Amino acid sequence: RKEVEQDPGPFNVPEGATVAFNCTYSNSASQSFFWYRQDCRKEPKLLMSVYSSGNEDGRFTAQLNRASQYISLLIRDSKLSDSATYLCVVNSGSGNTGKLIFGQGTTLQVKP
Amino acid sequence: DAGVTQSPTHLIKTRGQQVTLRCSPKSGHDTVSWYQQALGQGPQFIFQYYEEEERQRGNFPDRFSGHQFPNYSSELNVNALLLGDSALYLCASNTGRETQYFGPGTRLLVL
Repeated sequence: RKEVEQDPGPFNVPEGATVAFNCTYSNSASQSFFWYRQDCRKEPKLLMSVYSSGNEDGRFTAQLNRASQYISLLIRDSKLSDSATYLCVVNSGSGNTGKLIFGQGTTLQVKP
Repeated sequence: DAGVTQSPTHLIKTRGQQVTLRCSPKSGHDTVSWYQQALGQGPQFIFQYYEEEERQRGNFPDRFSGHQFPNYSSELNVNALLLGDSALYLCASNTGRETQYFGPGTRLLVL
């Protein structure tokens, strides 16, 4: 079983749609959680951290359920520029000292 | 403020050769981690350096080795290259107070 599992998609949605990505992680001792965005042939870039209380950044909302070991990302009012691969990431260590464990990534294609 | 930089951007090698990839961390960052990303997969952790020591290592063979210099820059060395080593190699840097920021990567093709 992979440590971080995501549906690879692709998710093809029209502009303005709401789309949700989910991922699960296997290590219950994991300390911190993130969503990274990766554009084609580019490096991953931090989109947002994920907290148990849920957090929002503009059109993006992230949720963490520690009991179910489940992380989600909701994108509202999708834009063409949101087309990318979204990587679910878990930090295995305490604070920010551990290694990052990535899911396979979920590909989003927003169409006009 | 320069972010994480890596060199070279692209590299072509043949099986059995050795390669060295270089990384300069973001200003103020003291920890460097290396990742391998095969096509269609998420990055996989190779190892992490802090205070010039390897602090953690992923499931990679001893052919993969590294080094961190006093100025926090780092090198990744891969010996006896295999076709399966073809990938995007990413360097990330951080401090203990923030998460990792990635460089643009080095694309390695092994023929």
